[in-house]
Amino acid sequence: AQSVTQPDIHITVSEGASLELRCNYSYGATPYLFWYVQSPGQGLQLLLKYFSGDTLVQGIKGFEAEFKRSQSSFNLRKPSVHWSDAAEYFCAVVPFSGNTPLVFGKGTRLSVIA
Amino acid sequence: NAGVTQTPKFRVLKTGQSMTLLCAQDMNHEYMYWYRQDPGMGLRLIHYSVGEGTTAKGEVPDGYNVSRLKKQNFLLGLESAAPSQTSVYFCASSGQAMGVSETQYFGPGTRLLVL
Repeated sequence: AQSVTQPDIHITVSEGASLELRCNYSYGATPYLFWYVQSPGQGLQLLLKYFSGDTLVQGIKGFEAEFKRSQSSFNLRKPSVHWSDAAEYFCAVVPFSGNTPLVFGKGTRLSVIA
Repeated sequence: NAGVTQTPKFRVLKTGQSMTLLCAQDMNHEYMYWYRQDPGMGLRLIHYSVGEGTTAKGEVPDGYNVSRLKKQNFLLGLESAAPSQTSVYFCASSGQAMGVSETQYFGPGTRLLVL
């Protein structure tokens, strides 16, 4: 079945350390790809998105993501994590089948320790 | 601009009761969506609308109804609430297209507990 997979349910990193959150998709063609962040008690906010072109995408709050077609992946990275980055992160895709709704992964919860 | 607002923020219902969740957006967006968020399940689309007067089913539509009588409002109704509908409900809107090249803007959520 077509899906979006975030293999890590919960990740803990130290403040100042680098971060990589994984996202894989299983659609045949390259979908449109998104990363959203949800701070505790809040709605979701778009971090970045990829449609085509340069496979390294820059987003807000110092995040970036790289699309790798050969691995069907769209991993989110940040070189130095801040305590305020503690949140839940969702990868989402629009399957390349026209005007269809977003499909979300199940999310990865990020904890940041001092 | 208030963006996307949701009413109420929190509600407790008894099994069998009905209620309506209200979503309002002031960005003149065509597309609106209702999601539910459950632990370990991510967000799942309940219903969506591609314009005033239109609605369509999402991934988990059973037990819910929606209406889009005005462009700025999208209502989610529960006719007979069940404990399985205990969840956090998010509304979102987008300008031009359903996800394609358009950012979805989310409301703050409504926490619903069905006893």
